Amino acid sequence: DAGVIQSPRHEVTEMGQEVTLRCKPISGHNSLFWYRQTMMRGLELLIYFNNNVPIDDSGMPEDRFSAKMPNASFSTLKIQPSEPRDSAVYFCASSLGQNPNEKLFFGSGTQLSVL
Amino acid sequence: AQTVTQSQPEMSVQEAETVTLSCTYDTSESDYYLFWYKQPPSRQMILVIRQEAYKQQNATENRFSVNFQKAAKSFSLKISDSQLGDAAMYFCAYRGPKSGTASKLTFGTGTRLQVTL
Repeated sequence: DAGVIQSPRHEVTEMGQEVTLRCKPISGHNSLFWYRQTMMRGLELLIYFNNNVPIDDSGMPEDRFSAKMPNASFSTLKIQPSEPRDSAVYFCASSLGQNPNEKLFFGSGTQLSVL
Repeated sequence: AQTVTQSQPEMSVQEAETVTLSCTYDTSESDYYLFWYKQPPSRQMILVIRQEAYKQQNATENRFSVNFQKAAKSFSLKISDSQLGDAAMYFCAYRGPKSGTASKLTFGTGTRLQVTL
């Protein structure tokens, strides 16, 4: 398996524009997580899905952020409108299930820069 | 809320030597899971080692081992025979006992490890 695939790897956009980040989890994995990494706040969980259903979105910073998982093999994180403070690395991760002992497999992240 | 603290922003070790990275955490749970993740310059987070709190025996994975002190809520990572490829950011992480909302992974702020010749 190719692992968790994220696209794009880098995204540069201007303030006010819509940004869509994409993630393909490992085939057969039922749980999918979106994390954000910044120097100031470290790694924060934004939202996670189980069986395509959002389970916990308490980490989503505000209404400008939305995430979807239309099927088991694809998820998107959208920011509309984007702001400079959204600049960060966004990671997608997947795991086989919700067992807390399960290993999370991370993608390589999307480096987002909002000018 | 659970918190994870890594008090060493940076550490340095010579090749072939041993280094220990510190991590403490705060929780009211008695059963939980602890992890160390490595983030090399490629950015991808890679699981290094994990420990179940109910197990008294410290986890070991080749050159990596942990010192898990449950009463002290301490979970340090020891890297033996350090190699240049070990240079990376290392994150300690905690995960609660339940599935669902209590199962999210909480990360520390990371320790940057440099390996010198």
